Amino acid sequence: SQTIHQWPATLVQPVGSPLSLECTVEGTSNPNLYWYRQAAGRGLQLLFYSVGIGQISSEVPQNLSASRPQDRQFILSSKKLLLSDSGFYLCAHSRSLSLGLYEQYFGPGTRLTVT
Amino acid sequence: AQSVTQPDIHITVSEGASLELRCNYSYGATPYLFWYVQSPGQGLQLLLKYFSGDTLVQGIKGFEAEFKRSQSSFNLRKPSVHWSDAAEYFCAASAGGTSYGKLTFGQGTILTVHP
Repeated sequence: SQTIHQWPATLVQPVGSPLSLECTVEGTSNPNLYWYRQAAGRGLQLLFYSVGIGQISSEVPQNLSASRPQDRQFILSSKKLLLSDSGFYLCAHSRSLSLGLYEQYFGPGTRLTVT
Repeated sequence: AQSVTQPDIHITVSEGASLELRCNYSYGATPYLFWYVQSPGQGLQLLLKYFSGDTLVQGIKGFEAEFKRSQSSFNLRKPSVHWSDAAEYFCAASAGGTSYGKLTFGQGTILTVHP
C-alpha cells in the first residue's frame, strides 16, 4: 500500500529564516506530487505540483519554492519566511485510475508558525 | 474560472440525525468530484468520488453523495450521524484531461455533532 510521510510535524520559525519541508512517498513509483497550504479558516490552496523528477509547476506567485530531487521526494522551501507563510502544509500524491483520472491521497501535514 | 463552493461554513446536528452538506461547482465541463474529511490537525481522508455513471455514489463511513448535473451540485449525505463524524469536510473537483489531477477545493464545512 502507498504511504506518504511529512516532516517535521510542527515547526516554529522566525520571520526571515529559511524553510525546508520534506515529503516522501512509499509504495508507488512516478507519482504526481502536490503541495497545498491551508491557512486558518480557509480551504486548501494548491501551491506546486510535479509530474516527474525535476519537473515543478507553480500555481500561485509566492515566497516559496519546490523541488523534486528524487522520484518519491518532494521538498518545499523558502529562503526567507514571511508571517503570511504560516499555515498547515499538506503534501499529496495521486494515483492514476485511467487517462486523466486521478485519486489524491494526503500526508499528515506540517503545522508552520512564523513568529 | 473553475471553482467549488460550499455554502455552509458550519453545521451543527444532533447525534442520530441525518446530514446533508452542500457543494456546488463551476466548471466548463463536468469535473471529477470528491469529498474529503479532515479531523483537527490531521491530513485529509478521501470519503468518496464521482467520475461517471451512477449519480449516487457510496463512500466509506456510511457516507453517500449525489451528483446532479442540472444543479451543478455534489451534496454529501449520511442518514444517521455519529459523534465521531465531527470534523471538517471538503468538496473538491478536478478537470481531468491534462490537469494532472490537480484539485480545486471548497472552503470547507465544519460539522459539530451534539450528543
